[in-house]
Amino acid sequence: GAGVSQSPSNKVTEKGKDVELRCDPISGHTALYWYRQSLGQGLEFLIYFQGNSAPDKSGLPSDRFSAERTGGSVSTLTIQRTQQEDSAVYLCASSPRPGPNEKLFFGSGTQLSVL
Amino acid sequence: QKEVEQDPGPLSVPEGAIVSLNCTYSNSAFQYFMWYRQYSRKGPELLMYTYSSGNKEDGRFTAQVDKSSKYISLFIRDSQPSDSATYLCAMSPTSGTYKYIFGTGTRLKVLA
Repeated sequence: GAGVSQSPSNKVTEKGKDVELRCDPISGHTALYWYRQSLGQGLEFLIYFQGNSAPDKSGLPSDRFSAERTGGSVSTLTIQRTQQEDSAVYLCASSPRPGPNEKLFFGSGTQLSVL
Repeated sequence: QKEVEQDPGPLSVPEGAIVSLNCTYSNSAFQYFMWYRQYSRKGPELLMYTYSSGNKEDGRFTAQVDKSSKYISLFIRDSQPSDSATYLCAMSPTSGTYKYIFGTGTRLKVLA
């Protein structure tokens, strides 16, 4: 079956513009994560959705970042008024169920470049 | 100080060598420990996971956890050029929102 799909794969934008990044998780997976990967920083947790529970937003770096997950499936990460320091690869992952030992299935990411 | 520390490398080894990759951590609540492999321009893929302390072996790969030292390792035997990738450790507590914490990743190059 299909894996986690992210779009676009690359996004170049100008400082100050808003961007939307999309994630289609594996069908039936109830948990969905967003991570950011920058050079030398590893994977930085942003936000976690689990079913109908309130999302864990504790990793969002500022109020310019927001995310939603509609119908328990597709998720969109929105960055408003982009800054150069937002340039990174944004990775989405899903897992079949919540749990500390669940395998995360990652998409290939969206490479965001803010000029 | 980061919760999980990992040497970013790069680490270059000849084909056939034994590779040792390591992470240290500070949060004693971590109970589940994972290793992910990431090829260039791809998302990470789970390689192995272990619970609490001990060893786990899968083919050429062995994962070790020493909770008393807050230190985990991944050993790769008979390394191959196809093992060239970035290896990330990840950790999670047993309860809570299962927010997996990742290391920075170690870039490995296996030279033919």
